Amino acid sequence: GESVGLHLPTLSVQEGDNSIINCAYSNSASDYFIWYKQESGKGPQFIIDIRSNMDKRQGQRVTVLLNKTVKHLSLQIAATQPGDSAVYFCADLGVTSGTYKYIFGTGTRLKVLA
Amino acid sequence: DTEVTQTPKHLVMGMTNKKSLKCEQHMGHRAMYWYKQKAKKPPELMFVYSYEKLSINESVPSRFSPECPNSSLLNLHLHALQPEDSALYLCASSQGTHYEQYFGPGTRLTVT
Repeated sequence: GESVGLHLPTLSVQEGDNSIINCAYSNSASDYFIWYKQESGKGPQFIIDIRSNMDKRQGQRVTVLLNKTVKHLSLQIAATQPGDSAVYFCADLGVTSGTYKYIFGTGTRLKVLA
Repeated sequence: DTEVTQTPKHLVMGMTNKKSLKCEQHMGHRAMYWYKQKAKKPPELMFVYSYEKLSINESVPSRFSPECPNSSLLNLHLHALQPEDSALYLCASSQGTHYEQYFGPGTRLTVT
């Protein structure tokens, strides 16, 4: 992911609608990607991952799409619920100077409206 | 058990104090991490331990000193911190580099 700007982007969705959260990454050598959910006062919680040999992976109510051509990752949440309200981070694993490490994206705050 | 525990939950310390943050996991993970997170920002990697050896130090100031006494424990020793070091300090662990990281709840540190 890449950290840009000082403000946390916010996505507001109606309860029951689908949510799409986007993330751009910069390292074309990244080969493993994770989406995390972070609720207020808690540590990030793993949601779903995808490896670079895939372009789509589905979990329970969540789908991750990977477009390596444009270095873009998205998280789709179906039938968004109030409990989905949180900050969502993407993280990509790439090699820098011979060392693997995760780089987190800026984050997106998801607000679910009742 | 998929839990990473961190103590203390909150810590207030003066700039001349010495304190330590502790992290523990019993998942058999061989990689452990310290991250620093400021409000409304993503976690920033500080240190990585792999098989109890320090493998990554992200140019962290020496007032932060990590220690991995065994495969289940990770400490972060703090000395002579600055107010700008106030943040949420997160510990994480993983099976290895291409596996998801499990995060603890963090220690909220305030330096006065």
